[in-house]
Amino acid sequence: DAKTTQPNSMESNEEEPVHLPCNHSTISGTDYIHWYRQLPSQGPEYVIHGLTSNVNNRMASLAIAEDRKSSTLILHRATLRDAAVYYCILRDGYQKVTFGTGTKLQVIP
Amino acid sequence: GAGVSQSPSNKVTEKGKDVELRCDPISGHTALYWYRQSLGQGLEFLIYFQGNSAPDKSGLPSDRFSAERTGGSVSTLTIQRTQQEDSAVYLCASSLSLASANYGYTFGSGTRLTVV
Repeated sequence: DAKTTQPNSMESNEEEPVHLPCNHSTISGTDYIHWYRQLPSQGPEYVIHGLTSNVNNRMASLAIAEDRKSSTLILHRATLRDAAVYYCILRDGYQKVTFGTGTKLQVIP
Repeated sequence: GAGVSQSPSNKVTEKGKDVELRCDPISGHTALYWYRQSLGQGLEFLIYFQGNSAPDKSGLPSDRFSAERTGGSVSTLTIQRTQQEDSAVYLCASSLSLASANYGYTFGSGTRLTVV
């Protein structure tokens, strides 16, 4: 399966926007970009996904580069409840996807 | 049900014993996945089901691990002769369809397995 690369950790001040990057230079045309987040002692939670166009939902926005080799998850106003590990993965339908170690987001009050 | 349910939430077992972990997916979700997460690590893919069929079992760590799914619903992950390195959180997820990646996974809260 295609690989993704994310920074190990990031910090943000509370109520500030957060931009979480993900590189996926070997993405194929049929790969969807998915983002999940995992709070301590919980299973991962779906955040957002997209194929080519930017996407918005109540939780976040997903900005996808024109060449699709990178994407950015945008949290518009970070809250303390957004402190979690964020995973970026690629899915193409037939599933043998391993999540990496993701980006640990720390939100500073 | 409203979400993916896993049981037990915690399991402590003695080395060498067999354990069964259960996953009850969202009703109507045909695809089901098992993952393992060791402390401080990412999620390691184990196996997926489309309906009751598991086309690829190569992600299972050893032949002590097996999984089945019945009635296109509940799945059981069985670990025989448990070893200390099996200690981890075992996560189950379901999705509306295996064939389309245009659906998200819904994860359960996991089973924390500790082998002593």
